[in-house]
Amino acid sequence: GQQLNQSPQSMFIQEGEDVSMNCTSSSIFNTWLWYKQEPGEGPVLLIALYKAGELTSNGRLTAQFGITRKDSFLNISASIPSDVGIYFCAGQRGYNKLIFGAGTRLAVHP
Amino acid sequence: DVKVTQSSRYLVKRTGEKVFLECVQDMDHENMFWYRQDPGLGLRLIYFSYDVKMKEKGDIPEGYSVSREKKERFSLILESASTNQTSMYLCASSLGTYTGELFFGEGSRLTVL
Repeated sequence: GQQLNQSPQSMFIQEGEDVSMNCTSSSIFNTWLWYKQEPGEGPVLLIALYKAGELTSNGRLTAQFGITRKDSFLNISASIPSDVGIYFCAGQRGYNKLIFGAGTRLAVHP
Repeated sequence: DVKVTQSSRYLVKRTGEKVFLECVQDMDHENMFWYRQDPGLGLRLIYFSYDVKMKEKGDIPEGYSVSREKKERFSLILESASTNQTSMYLCASSLGTYTGELFFGEGSRLTVL
């Protein structure tokens, strides 16, 4: 069953606002990843994190691998309308096995 | 750029029909995956393959089978479709064994009536 708790489930924000979302688990992961799925498309990898404590940026996106290895967060600064989509966290423990969160649906009001 | 192509974007089938979902990747990736996406449940792994003719069950393999006869092609088969298999199906590929860096297709939305 589901092993990752992703929150919030959905967000409706104004353009220009910052966004935070996170993922927690009772299990330890070796890798944390964040994907974005735009309407009608498959998910696309945004950021991959490989070490506990790692903080990585990709443009306006910043993600961190929690020190305990049981959590990760994603921040989006100064949101724009094209940030709309579903954001998924995913944790990997070993051989080819990714566990996905339920997703955070983001809507941005111009 | 890696391209993962799923043969059908939308399918409507009747209960009991056999359904084939085809996926092709063009980057010589070793690993291919089939996921199912349902609202509130995220993506759940059905099957994956790490080599031609090799396959392993994921978290929800019941009611599904797969075939990988060529490295670039991975097929998902529903032997007898049921209404609870109505869902979005996503194919993905990856290069390395331990990487979580997946490249997804656009998805196939299946409705079983």
